[in-house]
Amino acid sequence: DIQMTQSPSSLSASVGDRVTITCRSSQSIGEYLSWFHLKPGKPPKLLIYGASTLQSEVPSRFRGGGSGTEFTLTITNLQPEDFATYYCQQTNNTPYTFGQGTKLEI
Amino acid sequence: QVHLVQSGAEVTKPGASVKVSCKASGYTFNEYYIHWVRQAPGQGPEWMGWINPKSGGTNYAHKFQDRVTMTRDTGISTAYLELSRLRFDDTAVYYCAREMELTTFGGDLLYDWFDPWGQGTLVTVSP
Repeated sequence: DIQMTQSPSSLSASVGDRVTITCRSSQSIGEYLSWFHLKPGKPPKLLIYGASTLQSEVPSRFRGGGSGTEFTLTITNLQPEDFATYYCQQTNNTPYTFGQGTKLEI
Repeated sequence: QVHLVQSGAEVTKPGASVKVSCKASGYTFNEYYIHWVRQAPGQGPEWMGWINPKSGGTNYAHKFQDRVTMTRDTGISTAYLELSRLRFDDTAVYYCAREMELTTFGGDLLYDWFDPWGQGTLVTVSP
Protein backbone atom coordinates (compact mmCIF):
# COMPACT_ATOMS: atom_id res chain seq x y z
CA ASP A 1 0.00 0.00 0.00
CA ILE A 2 1.10 3.58 -0.66
CA GLN A 3 1.72 5.48 2.56
CA MET A 4 0.83 9.17 2.65
CA THR A 5 2.63 11.32 5.19
CA GLN A 6 1.34 14.80 5.92
CA SER A 7 3.11 17.54 7.81
CA PRO A 8 2.63 19.30 10.04
CA SER A 9 -0.07 17.46 11.99
CA SER A 10 -1.31 20.76 13.38
CA LEU A 11 -0.77 24.37 12.54
CA SER A 12 -1.67 27.61 14.29
CA ALA A 13 -2.28 30.65 12.13
CA SER A 14 -4.22 33.90 11.99
CA VAL A 15 -6.68 35.40 9.56
CA GLY A 16 -4.72 36.84 6.64
CA ASP A 17 -1.74 34.48 7.04
CA ARG A 18 -0.26 32.19 4.43
CA VAL A 19 0.26 28.52 5.32
CA THR A 20 1.68 25.50 3.51
CA ILE A 21 0.90 21.83 4.16
CA THR A 22 3.10 19.09 2.73
CA CYS A 23 2.10 15.57 1.71
CA ARG A 24 4.64 12.89 0.76
CA SER A 25 3.87 9.52 -0.78
CA SER A 26 5.93 6.37 -0.24
CA GLN A 27 6.16 5.83 -3.99
CA SER A 28 5.54 7.94 -7.06
CA ILE A 29 1.87 8.71 -7.71
CA GLY A 30 2.28 11.09 -10.63
CA GLU A 31 -0.35 13.76 -10.08
CA TYR A 32 -3.05 11.46 -8.71
CA LEU A 33 -3.39 13.58 -5.58
CA SER A 34 -6.38 15.37 -4.14
CA TRP A 35 -6.76 17.74 -1.21
CA PHE A 36 -9.91 18.21 0.78
CA HIS A 37 -10.92 19.62 4.12
CA LEU A 38 -13.20 18.35 6.79
CA LYS A 39 -15.19 20.30 9.35
CA PRO A 40 -17.08 18.73 12.26
CA GLY A 41 -20.50 17.52 11.22
CA LYS A 42 -19.96 18.25 7.54
CA PRO A 43 -18.92 16.05 4.63
CA PRO A 44 -15.42 16.32 3.17
CA LYS A 45 -15.07 19.15 0.69
CA LEU A 46 -12.83 18.70 -2.33
CA LEU A 47 -10.41 21.58 -2.88
CA ILE A 48 -7.80 20.39 -5.38
CA TYR A 49 -7.50 17.38 -7.71
CA GLY A 50 -4.81 16.31 -10.11
CA ALA A 51 -2.33 17.80 -7.63
CA SER A 52 -2.92 21.37 -8.81
CA THR A 53 -6.38 21.76 -10.38
CA LEU A 54 -8.72 23.92 -8.33
CA GLN A 55 -12.18 22.43 -7.93
CA SER A 56 -14.92 24.72 -9.22
CA GLU A 57 -16.14 27.33 -6.74
CA VAL A 58 -13.11 26.87 -4.50
CA PRO A 59 -11.45 30.25 -3.87
CA SER A 60 -8.22 31.00 -5.68
CA ARG A 61 -6.39 31.49 -2.37
CA PHE A 62 -6.00 27.69 -2.38
CA ARG A 63 -3.13 26.41 -4.50
CA GLY A 64 -1.83 22.89 -4.96
CA GLY A 65 1.50 21.84 -6.38
CA GLY A 66 3.93 18.99 -6.79
CA SER A 67 4.17 15.66 -8.56
CA GLY A 68 5.75 12.28 -8.03
CA THR A 69 6.16 11.92 -4.28
CA GLU A 70 6.01 15.44 -2.86
CA PHE A 71 3.01 17.73 -2.85
CA THR A 72 1.98 20.98 -1.23
CA LEU A 73 -1.22 22.81 -0.41
CA THR A 74 -0.77 26.53 0.10
CA ILE A 75 -3.51 28.78 1.45
CA THR A 76 -2.93 32.51 1.22
CA ASN A 77 -4.91 35.22 2.99
CA LEU A 78 -6.49 32.78 5.45
CA GLN A 79 -10.17 33.35 6.11
CA PRO A 80 -12.16 32.29 9.20
CA GLU A 81 -13.92 29.54 7.23
CA ASP A 82 -10.56 27.95 6.33
CA PHE A 83 -9.93 26.68 9.84
CA ALA A 84 -10.52 22.94 9.46
CA THR A 85 -8.62 19.67 9.11
CA TYR A 86 -6.97 19.11 5.73
CA TYR A 87 -6.24 15.74 4.12
CA CYS A 88 -4.39 14.59 1.05
CA GLN A 89 -5.49 11.46 -0.82
CA GLN A 90 -3.79 9.42 -3.53
CA THR A 91 -5.84 7.77 -6.27
CA ASN A 92 -2.94 6.27 -8.21
CA ASN A 93 -3.39 2.74 -6.89
CA THR A 94 -5.92 0.92 -4.78
CA PRO A 95 -6.17 0.85 -1.86
CA TYR A 96 -6.56 4.60 -2.15
CA THR A 97 -4.87 6.08 0.90
CA PHE A 98 -5.04 9.29 2.86
CA GLY A 99 -2.73 11.38 4.93
CA GLN A 100 -3.31 11.55 8.66
CA GLY A 101 -4.50 15.13 8.43
CA THR A 102 -3.36 18.64 9.31
CA LYS A 103 -5.50 20.53 11.78
CA LEU A 104 -5.43 24.24 11.01
CA GLU A 105 -6.29 26.26 14.10
CA ILE A 106 -6.48 29.89 14.98
CA GLN B 1 -27.38 19.77 -8.30
CA VAL B 2 -25.53 16.57 -7.49
CA HIS B 3 -26.18 15.09 -4.05
CA LEU B 4 -25.41 11.91 -2.17
CA VAL B 5 -27.70 11.42 0.82
CA GLN B 6 -26.89 8.69 3.32
CA SER B 7 -29.03 6.85 5.83
CA GLY B 8 -29.09 7.79 9.47
CA ALA B 9 -26.90 6.89 12.41
CA GLU B 10 -26.79 3.30 13.63
CA VAL B 11 -26.01 1.81 17.03
CA THR B 12 -25.27 -1.88 16.93
CA LYS B 13 -23.55 -4.66 18.84
CA PRO B 14 -20.33 -6.58 18.28
CA GLY B 15 -20.82 -9.49 15.92
CA ALA B 16 -23.82 -7.91 14.22
CA SER B 17 -24.03 -6.42 10.71
CA VAL B 18 -24.89 -2.93 9.55
CA LYS B 19 -26.12 -1.70 6.17
CA VAL B 20 -25.70 1.94 5.13
CA SER B 21 -27.39 3.43 2.09
CA CYS B 22 -26.30 6.25 -0.21
CA LYS B 23 -28.93 7.76 -2.50
CA ALA B 24 -27.70 9.69 -5.52
CA SER B 25 -29.52 12.52 -7.28
CA GLY B 26 -28.76 15.11 -9.92
CA TYR B 27 -26.80 12.86 -12.27
CA THR B 28 -26.99 9.51 -14.06
CA PHE B 29 -26.25 7.01 -11.31
CA ASN B 30 -24.87 4.29 -13.61
CA GLU B 31 -22.14 6.48 -15.06
CA TYR B 32 -19.90 6.97 -11.99
CA TYR B 33 -18.33 4.62 -9.50
CA ILE B 34 -19.29 4.99 -5.86
CA HIS B 35 -16.58 4.64 -3.22
CA TRP B 36 -16.92 4.06 0.50
CA VAL B 37 -14.56 5.65 3.00
CA ARG B 38 -14.68 5.56 6.78
CA GLN B 39 -13.11 7.69 9.47
CA ALA B 40 -12.76 6.37 13.00
CA PRO B 41 -12.38 8.80 15.91
CA GLY B 42 -8.93 10.35 15.94
CA GLN B 43 -7.85 8.59 12.76
CA GLY B 44 -7.37 9.55 9.14
CA PRO B 45 -9.87 8.46 6.51
CA GLU B 46 -9.69 4.85 5.31
CA TRP B 47 -10.78 3.69 1.86
CA MET B 48 -12.99 0.59 1.90
CA GLY B 49 -13.72 -0.06 -1.75
CA TRP B 50 -15.81 0.85 -4.77
CA ILE B 51 -18.80 -0.38 -6.71
CA ASN B 52 -19.50 0.13 -10.38
CA PRO B 53 -23.24 0.91 -10.40
CA LYS B 54 -23.59 -0.11 -14.06
CA SER B 55 -22.22 -3.63 -13.75
CA GLY B 56 -22.35 -4.20 -10.01
CA GLY B 57 -18.64 -5.01 -10.06
CA THR B 58 -16.72 -4.27 -6.88
CA ASN B 59 -13.19 -3.78 -5.61
CA TYR B 60 -12.71 -4.08 -1.87
CA ALA B 61 -9.75 -3.09 0.26
CA HIS B 62 -7.96 -6.22 1.35
CA LYS B 63 -8.53 -5.35 5.01
CA PHE B 64 -12.32 -5.60 4.62
CA GLN B 65 -12.60 -8.27 1.93
CA ASP B 66 -14.11 -10.96 4.12
CA ARG B 67 -16.60 -8.68 5.90
CA VAL B 68 -17.80 -6.08 3.40
CA THR B 69 -20.44 -6.23 0.68
CA MET B 70 -21.20 -3.33 -1.64
CA THR B 71 -24.38 -3.48 -3.69
CA ARG B 72 -26.63 -1.13 -5.57
CA ASP B 73 -30.21 -0.72 -6.73
CA THR B 74 -30.13 1.17 -10.02
CA GLY B 75 -33.92 1.61 -9.99
CA ILE B 76 -33.66 3.96 -7.03
CA SER B 77 -30.10 5.24 -7.67
CA THR B 78 -28.87 3.92 -4.34
CA ALA B 79 -25.67 2.24 -3.29
CA TYR B 80 -25.28 0.16 -0.15
CA LEU B 81 -22.46 -0.78 2.16
CA GLU B 82 -22.90 -3.76 4.43
CA LEU B 83 -20.27 -4.59 7.04
CA SER B 84 -20.60 -7.81 9.00
CA ARG B 85 -19.08 -9.30 12.16
CA LEU B 86 -18.77 -5.82 13.60
CA ARG B 87 -16.08 -5.03 16.17
CA PHE B 88 -15.68 -2.09 18.54
CA ASP B 89 -13.04 -0.59 16.25
CA ASP B 90 -15.56 -0.43 13.41
CA THR B 91 -17.08 2.58 15.20
CA ALA B 92 -16.63 5.35 12.65
CA VAL B 93 -18.31 7.78 10.31
CA TYR B 94 -18.91 6.07 6.98
CA TYR B 95 -19.01 8.16 3.80
CA CYS B 96 -19.94 7.42 0.23
CA ALA B 97 -18.40 9.47 -2.56
CA ARG B 98 -18.75 9.66 -6.33
CA GLU B 99 -15.62 9.17 -8.38
CA MET B 100 -15.06 11.67 -11.15
CA GLU B 101 -12.60 11.22 -14.00
CA LEU B 102 -10.86 13.41 -16.52
CA THR B 103 -9.65 11.54 -19.58
CA THR B 104 -7.87 12.33 -22.82
CA PHE B 105 -9.70 12.14 -26.13
CA GLY B 106 -8.18 8.71 -26.49
CA GLY B 107 -9.70 7.59 -23.22
CA ASP B 108 -6.56 7.56 -21.11
CA LEU B 109 -7.12 8.61 -17.52
CA LEU B 110 -5.60 11.96 -16.62
CA TYR B 111 -6.99 12.51 -13.16
CA ASP B 112 -9.66 11.16 -10.88
CA TRP B 113 -11.14 12.51 -7.70
CA PHE B 114 -14.03 12.09 -5.26
CA ASP B 115 -16.84 14.61 -5.47
CA PRO B 116 -19.35 15.00 -3.97
CA TRP B 117 -19.34 13.11 -0.71
CA GLY B 118 -22.33 11.99 1.28
CA GLN B 119 -22.99 13.66 4.60
CA GLY B 120 -21.66 10.65 6.53
CA THR B 121 -23.31 7.97 8.67
CA LEU B 122 -22.10 7.41 12.22
CA VAL B 123 -21.99 3.73 13.09
CA THR B 124 -21.42 3.01 16.75
CA VAL B 125 -20.56 -0.50 17.89
CA SER B 126 -21.38 -0.77 21.56
CA PRO B 127 -22.01 -3.70 23.94
